[in-house]
Amino acid sequence: GDKVKQSPSALSLQEGTNSALRCNFSIAATTVQWFLQNPRGSLMNLFYLVPGTKENGRLKSAFDSKESYSTLHIRDAQLEDSGTYFCAAGYNKLTFGKGTVLLVSP
Amino acid sequence: GPKVLQIPSHQIIDMGQMVTLNCDPVSNHLYFYWYKQILGQQMEFLVNFYNGKVMEKSKLFKDQFSVERPDGSYFTLKIQPTALEDSAVYFCASSYFQNTLYFGAGTRLSVL
Repeated sequence: GDKVKQSPSALSLQEGTNSALRCNFSIAATTVQWFLQNPRGSLMNLFYLVPGTKENGRLKSAFDSKESYSTLHIRDAQLEDSGTYFCAAGYNKLTFGKGTVLLVSP
Repeated sequence: GPKVLQIPSHQIIDMGQMVTLNCDPVSNHLYFYWYKQILGQQMEFLVNFYNGKVMEKSKLFKDQFSVERPDGSYFTLKIQPTALEDSAVYFCASSYFQNTLYFGAGTRLSVL
């Protein structure tokens, strides 16, 4: 099965609403990274996490290594948040999930 | 934020030819990586590189693949010879320590 399982696989939001994405790990994860891949294909690093939480603007992420999951919360979704969100676990060799495709509409 | 540049953005070649993908990593970064993404699928690790040497490679890193970074210039991925299944987007990434990875925009390789 998938070592890094992301849910949901796809999500539609209206502008201004909130949502949460999730990653479950079946491998031992000590660090997690979240990325946003835009429609052109470029990947942007959103968070690098050890167990705990981080916040950056409208985004907040948490990583619980004991329960083997991580979440990414999006507050007040904007059109530019659309894209595919990937989580990845690993220290020197990242294992990626299959991504959550997010579409934010007016 | 820090930029990783990949050249070219798209490369089309005939099966059996050699191809070199070029990556200009963030200037003070020490660790370099290649990942492969087949259309619609997740990114998969190919190889990482530090201090002039391959540290770790995956099963996807076939014998036809090689990487190098001569004299601190481009970090390159060479495939010789190419096969149809090598068609994918190849992403280069770099990091200062083994932590936050910064990715390039990818090179789309089409093997005909």
